[in-house]
Amino acid sequence: RKEVEQDPGPFNVPEGATVAFNCTYSNSASQSFFWYRQDCRKEPKLLMSVYSSGNEDGRFTAQLNRASQYISLLIRDSKLSDSATYLCVVNQGYGQNFVFGPGTRLSVLP
Amino acid sequence: NAGVTQTPKFRVLKTGQSMTLLCAQDMNHEYMYWYRQDPGMGLRLIHYSVGEGTTAKGEVPDGYNVSRLKKQNFLLGLESAAPSQTSVYFCASSSPVLGAGETQYFGPGTRLLVL
Repeated sequence: RKEVEQDPGPFNVPEGATVAFNCTYSNSASQSFFWYRQDCRKEPKLLMSVYSSGNEDGRFTAQLNRASQYISLLIRDSKLSDSATYLCVVNQGYGQNFVFGPGTRLSVLP
Repeated sequence: NAGVTQTPKFRVLKTGQSMTLLCAQDMNHEYMYWYRQDPGMGLRLIHYSVGEGTTAKGEVPDGYNVSRLKKQNFLLGLESAAPSQTSVYFCASSSPVLGAGETQYFGPGTRLLVL
């Protein structure tokens, strides 16, 4: 089993749709969690950290369920500019061992 | 403030040739990383460093060596390139934040083709 797994995708959705990405991780000792966004042929960039209480940033909401070892990202009112690959990232300790999921590609269609 | 920079941006090598990829960061970060990204496999950690003069192996270290002689620089070397090392290489840096997760900042990547 891979350490971090994500929905295989791709997701093709119309503008304005709500889309949810799921991620599971295998190491219960994992300490911190992130969603990164990667545009085609570009570097990954941090979208948001994921906290135990859940957190929201505008149209984006992230949730963490430690008991189920599950992370989610919800995008509401999707825009064309949201088209990218979304990477789930888990860190098992400071300074080392960021584990990346394979990513889920999103295409928002006009 | 350039963040994380990588040189070169693109390189073509023949099997058996050697090269060094340079990563530089101007954010005074303690930690630096080298990843490779291949289609359908996500980013995989090659080597990392938690401080000047220290390095450690990641998930896929074979065929690569690294050095961190200065805090701001992290070099990745390929002594004898193989076609299996054709990939996109990303450097990243981060700094520990007590009570919170670290954020990694990535360079723009180096595309390497080994023929």
